[in-house]
Amino acid sequence: ETGVTQTPRHLVMGMTNKKSLKCEQHLGHNAMYWYKQSAKKPLELMFVYNFKEQTENNSVPSRFSPECPNSSHLFLHLHTLQPEDSALYLCASSRGGTNEKLFFGSGTQLSVL
Amino acid sequence: RKEVEQDPGPFNVPEGATVAFNCTYSNSASQSFFWYRQDCRKEPKLLMSVYSSGNEDGRFTAQLNRASQYISLLIRDSKLSDSATYLCVVINNNDMRFGAGTRLTVKP
Repeated sequence: ETGVTQTPRHLVMGMTNKKSLKCEQHLGHNAMYWYKQSAKKPLELMFVYNFKEQTENNSVPSRFSPECPNSSHLFLHLHTLQPEDSALYLCASSRGGTNEKLFFGSGTQLSVL
Repeated sequence: RKEVEQDPGPFNVPEGATVAFNCTYSNSASQSFFWYRQDCRKEPKLLMSVYSSGNEDGRFTAQLNRASQYISLLIRDSKLSDSATYLCVVINNNDMRFGAGTRLTVKP
């Protein structure tokens, strides 16, 4: 148990659907992240929130929309996704200082049909 | 050149073997380094930090070579449960870069 919980674990959606991924951390951390992991590729950073403020948007298409209502919760809203968006989406948190290690949630395995 | 490079493997070794992975990085200003372990269809989990002086945790030893810009992970007396993908992480001013991972399979 890493203290970072993600739901759902698996998600299958059509290209016209709207869905949301949820992440909650119980570690008292101040920074939260969304990563995308595709097969045989390095983890790709999507978004970073520090103290609820978005500090990084790594050229992510607008069909992915993050929301961070407080430092413990993070959402990723999905709409009109493409099949190539199928991947493992990982949430992570850290204390928020410089060069801090990350603690990951178990991920959402997303399939877009 | 990729910012962080790892040999993807797979490394297939017998139980009890010693195995080592390297991870090279391109940014000489990188400040922090970690090794993560990721099991199939699971999230990455922190294995160990990598310090300038090197560090050891049981059967695992991590080392940093700044001059040649690589970090290494040595696993001694490998167990079946060590089978996983090992990811290196290189950080510079909160810019965190992951390697694509090295796959290890330990066989009986």
